[in-house]
Amino acid sequence: NAGVTQTPKFQVLKTGQSMTLQCAQDMNHEYMSWYRQDPGMGLRLIHYSVGAGITDQGEVPNGYNVSRSTTEDFPLRLLSAAPSQTSVYFCASSREGTQYFGPGTRLLVL
Amino acid sequence: AQKITQTQPGMFVQEKEAVTLDCTYDTSDPSYGLFWYKQPSSGEMIFLIYQGSYDQQNATEGRYSLNFQKARKSANLVISASQLGDSAMYFCAMRSISGGYNKLIFGAGTRLAVHP
Repeated sequence: NAGVTQTPKFQVLKTGQSMTLQCAQDMNHEYMSWYRQDPGMGLRLIHYSVGAGITDQGEVPNGYNVSRSTTEDFPLRLLSAAPSQTSVYFCASSREGTQYFGPGTRLLVL
Repeated sequence: AQKITQTQPGMFVQEKEAVTLDCTYDTSDPSYGLFWYKQPSSGEMIFLIYQGSYDQQNATEGRYSLNFQKARKSANLVISASQLGDSAMYFCAMRSISGGYNKLIFGAGTRLAVHP
């Protein structure tokens, strides 16, 4: 039981490039979320999903897309990377409220 | 508006002593949940403890307990018998029914340093 996994662990992008952050969970959780963590701040919700085929925006959705084609996977797409998207990204999953987090992806946009 | 406030940017404690990390929250929802997470220097987010707004007793998990004062809207984390491995960032978070299960709101965190 791997829990929540994220790839890559670290990525460097140039401004304007696109990429997808991968997230997978093997706990059969309905709910999955993406957060970003900036220095000196707590986590902020980007997008979330309450089940396959259903997604919605969180607090800071601009510049990001998500989709949920399966229960297990919830990828986060950066359409055109900007330096303001330099952050640590966490994926989380839950069934009844307690969210369990992946190890994070550290993204640097130059 | 829903908000979590952690007023202590940094705290330090001597090993084996107890420490309290403060958290106040703001919500108008009658049903909500409060969480504490630990983030060590390695970066992962580790769930510590949960308190529901209707729970009659304060939550406890081993050396962690949550001092829940509903009227004051506070949910302080108490760590008893601190260990060197407790040195980390600690985040308080809230989930409310109107926000949905996925929507956790986090405070800015408190950095705890445990000294030998």
